[in-house]
Amino acid sequence: DAGVIQSPRHEVTEMGQEVTLRCKPISGHDYLFWYRQTMMRGLELLIYFNNNVPIDDSGMPEDRFSAKMPNASFSTLKIQPSEPRDSAVYFCASSSLGALNTGELFFGEGSRLTVL
Amino acid sequence: EDQVTQSPEALRLQEGESSSLNCSYTVSGLRGLFWYRQDPGKGPEFLFTLYSAGEEKEKERLKATLTKKESFLHITAPKPEDSATYLCAVQVPRDYKLSFGAGTTVTVRA
Repeated sequence: DAGVIQSPRHEVTEMGQEVTLRCKPISGHDYLFWYRQTMMRGLELLIYFNNNVPIDDSGMPEDRFSAKMPNASFSTLKIQPSEPRDSAVYFCASSSLGALNTGELFFGEGSRLTVL
Repeated sequence: EDQVTQSPEALRLQEGESSSLNCSYTVSGLRGLFWYRQDPGKGPEFLFTLYSAGEEKEKERLKATLTKKESFLHITAPKPEDSATYLCAVQVPRDYKLSFGAGTTVTVRA
């Protein structure tokens, strides 16, 4: 299996621009998670989906952030407008119920976002 | 609110010098505690699952243990390839999300 695929791997943008991060989960996984990692705050959960439905979005920082999962094989995380404090590595992870019961998430390699 | 605290933040070891990493947690009920390894520029990779106090899991030079308030990751006779950031995470009942600690960055010198 190809694993979780994220794009872009690196994004540099200017404050105020719209940023869209993309994720393709592992086929057959019905849970998808978006995490953000910074030196200051570590790995924070932003939102997670089950069967394409958002279950918990309490970690989404503010209205500038939105996430969608239009089908089982694709999810996006959008930031509009972006701000310098949004600079971080954004990870997507997927899992199945069986794997989640043992705490196993399968992470992508992350999208490193820099907002100037 | 669930809290996961890892210490130390960084650990520098000589090859063969055994040591332990700590993960203390405060949660409203523990469903499971998990250890992950993260290499630079990569996503975290799953290592272990621990469910109850007294449980131990081993993999090569790593052994994870669990008490009612904390977990330890013991690295026995580490090698340079064990250099990574080690993250612990907790899961509470009736919720599938994982809450992660900040991690311990281990550097093993040859």
